Amino acid sequence: DQQVKQNSPSLSVQEGRISILNCDYTNSMFDYFLWYKKYPAEGPTFLISISSIKDKNEDGRFTVFLNKSAKHLSLHIVPSQPGDSAVYFCAASVDGTASKLTFGTGTRLQVTL
Amino acid sequence: EAQVTQNPRYLITVTGKKLTVTCSQNMNHEYMSWYRQDPGLGLRQIYYSMNVEVTDKGDVPEGYKVSRKEKRNFPLILESPSPNQTSLYFCASISLAGLGTDTQYFGPGTRLTVL
Repeated sequence: DQQVKQNSPSLSVQEGRISILNCDYTNSMFDYFLWYKKYPAEGPTFLISISSIKDKNEDGRFTVFLNKSAKHLSLHIVPSQPGDSAVYFCAASVDGTASKLTFGTGTRLQVTL
Repeated sequence: EAQVTQNPRYLITVTGKKLTVTCSQNMNHEYMSWYRQDPGLGLRQIYYSMNVEVTDKGDVPEGYKVSRKEKRNFPLILESPSPNQTSLYFCASISLAGLGTDTQYFGPGTRLTVL
């Protein structure tokens, strides 16, 4: 049973436009959420996180939104750049830490010129 | 430079031949973890360790062993590998900084093929 779902396997966006990556979860006990970016032949790298006590967190071009009632979070990248082309994973935990994460299946983002 | 290293990066082996994938971190983190990534399934946690000599099962521990004899190293052991363990494996070191700033730092991955 996939507790964290990324229903879009891929997304293509033009350079300069907004990329919106979505993630849904089923476990209401999740209280900490993270986004990771992964390039081919590399390990995932941390991008941004959000605690369940917040509904928005920003870091430069990256913003994560959390809608607890809908059990939905999204990652906005504005403006999108070619270097953002990668696979993006959302992850969640139930204890407010990053010690035991449940990952989604990933969304491949391609930013075109 | 803060990093997590894994060896080997690529390994092809045969069913039943014991193997060990090493993992080392230089960030003095207490928590470490192993994941496997499979198409359509994302990353799934195999084992994690809260500190030296303290380990616990993740979501898919069957067929794997780990040990944590020192803080920096967390090897993954496959006593009798089977083809269903063909996967991409990631080791992670975990910063528990608190206040919503925790994260996991991943190694570069080990691609294992069991024939």
